[in-house]
Parts: sequence; C-alpha cells; structure tokens
Amino acid sequence: SQKIEQNSEALNIQEGKTATLTCNYTNYSPAYLQWYRQDPGRGPVFLLLIRENEKEKRKERLKVTFDTTLKQSLFHITASQPADSATYLCALGHTGGGNKLTFGTGTQLKVEL
Amino acid sequence: DTAVSQTPKYLVTQMGNDKSIKCEQNLGHDTMYWYKQDSKKFLKIMFSYNNKELIINETVPNRFSPKSPDKAHLNLHINSLELGDSAVYFCASSQGVGTGANVLTFGAGSRLTVL
Repeated sequence: SQKIEQNSEALNIQEGKTATLTCNYTNYSPAYLQWYRQDPGRGPVFLLLIRENEKEKRKERLKVTFDTTLKQSLFHITASQPADSATYLCALGHTGGGNKLTFGTGTQLKVEL
Repeated sequence: DTAVSQTPKYLVTQMGNDKSIKCEQNLGHDTMYWYKQDSKKFLKIMFSYNNKELIINETVPNRFSPKSPDKAHLNLHINSLELGDSAVYFCASSQGVGTGANVLTFGAGSRLTVL
C-alpha cells in the first residue's frame, strides 16, 4: 500500500541555520509533490509545488528537491527564523482520478533563538 | 475577505446526534474537498466535488453525506455521531481537476468533539 513518511520527531534548530525536512514515499509514482505549512489551530497553507520532471524548485528562502529514483523530497529553509516554526506537510498527487492529494503525517519544526 | 470559510469553528455534541458543517469559497474555484485530521495530525481526504459533481469518495461511513448546492458551497452532514468522529474537519478548494496540479486552499477547520 502507498506510504508517505516524514520525520515523526520534531526538528529543533537554531535561528539562522538551514532546516532540512524529509519526505519519503513507497508504492507510489506521483506526478507532482507539494509542501504545505500548518500553524496550530489553522488550515494548511500551500508553499511549493514540484513536478516529477523537475529536480529543484526555489522560492525566497525555501528550496525543494524531488528525487523520483530515491522516492524522496527534501524541503530546505535557509536562514531560518522563529517565525518559521510550524508543522510542514508534504503531499503527493497524480493526474487523473480527481487529482487526489495524499498527505504525509507532517514534521514539526521549531526554530530557537 | 476569507477565501475558504467554514462554520462552525467548534462543535461539541453528544453521541448519536446529527450535525452539519458548512463551507463556502469565494475564489471562483471549481473543485471543493473535505479532509479529516485526526489527533495524530494525519490529514486524510474524504470527499471531493468538481462543479457540484462527486468525483472522490473515499472509504467513509455512510453516516457522512456531503452536499454541494453550487460550486461555491460544500456542506458535510454527519448522522448518528460516534466518539471516533471527533477530529478537525477541513474544507478546501482548488481551481479544478483539469489543471494537473491541485494546489489546495484550506479553510481554518472545524473542530468536532463527540462526548
């Protein structure tokens, strides 16, 4: 069965460092992968989309890589700030079948001063 | 001006009751969804409607019935509530299923507690 795994343990890093979050998947061939941010008591907010034929995408301090051979995506936040503290969710999708998105369990990131 | 709004934000009710959650989007999107987030924060799709037509219907008990009166609204009715229904229910919308890369806009969530 399809499985999407993200670091189950919280990630604590120091302000100014680069945070790297991992999303691994099995039994899945996604056409695209997305990353969302979720703050407590709020709905997820879309951050970045990367397609299966793309290796890397950037947006300001954010960078996403997508390795379909390793079945893995890495999400980087450079020069991290306390305001980046949140839960980050990866989501995999494929075209057809209603374009269903399947979410990982999320990784909680805490950026400390 | 809230893009995806859902009401109520909190709902506390007794087992066996029937309740509804309403959702509206003002983004002009064609597709709307209901997701359930359990206590472990796992977000799982329940239903999806595209232009009022049901296109995704995951393995969900028959007690859950979605209804889309128009493409801007998607409501969720739950009959005979059970303890296990306690969760946060998120409504979301996207431009449409034909775009090839569903970017979702979520509402703030409705926290349902069944006692």
